[in-house]
Amino acid sequence: KAGVTQTPRYLIKTRGQQVTLSCSPISGHRSVSWYQQTPGQGLQFLFEYFSETQRNKGNFPGRFSGRQFSNSRSEMNVSTLELGDSALYLCASSPFARDSGNTIYFGEGSWLTVV
Amino acid sequence: DQQVKQNSPSLSVQEGRISILNCDYTNSMFDYFLWYKKYPAEGPTFLISISSIKDKNEDGRFTVFLNKSAKHLSLHIVPSQPGDSAVYFCAASAGAQKLVFGQGTRLTINP
Repeated sequence: KAGVTQTPRYLIKTRGQQVTLSCSPISGHRSVSWYQQTPGQGLQFLFEYFSETQRNKGNFPGRFSGRQFSNSRSEMNVSTLELGDSALYLCASSPFARDSGNTIYFGEGSWLTVV
Repeated sequence: DQQVKQNSPSLSVQEGRISILNCDYTNSMFDYFLWYKKYPAEGPTFLISISSIKDKNEDGRFTVFLNKSAKHLSLHIVPSQPGDSAVYFCAASAGAQKLVFGQGTRLTINP
């Protein structure tokens, strides 16, 4: 069974640009979550989608947005990039909406560098 | 407000010995706890989880202990192996709320 697939794996963008990251969940998984990891900051929750609806949202500015498609694939978008957005963006999927007992499974991440 | 804390940024253990990674939490509503392992340039890999109705869960060399009264979680790895060298994250959730992660502890297993 294929794992969570994220594309692109690595990318470099310039300040002010926008970026779109893509995530294909494990087959059959309907919930997709996004996390940002920066050095010393651990994993910061961005948002979670289930059945094309955003269920939870983290404490990030409106420049960060996401969506989920009917096939459960998800994209996240960051507009007007800032240097501080340089991070590893991780997508995770789980079979159901996030509730007690559901484990999430991560992809390998997309490394974004903003210059 | 950091609801899940891993107070040790790093830990060094000799191969074959026990590694004990600790995690504290503040939210008494958390009812599900997980440990993830992360190698550089890879996504976190799920290791083991525990529900708040239990106080211990084992899976091979990995055992997670939960002390609800102390709001403390620990991961024991016995015996420690060189391949266990990685960053370990604990995480917790309350019902349908988001999974909250600690800052991570870098474990180094020395030969």
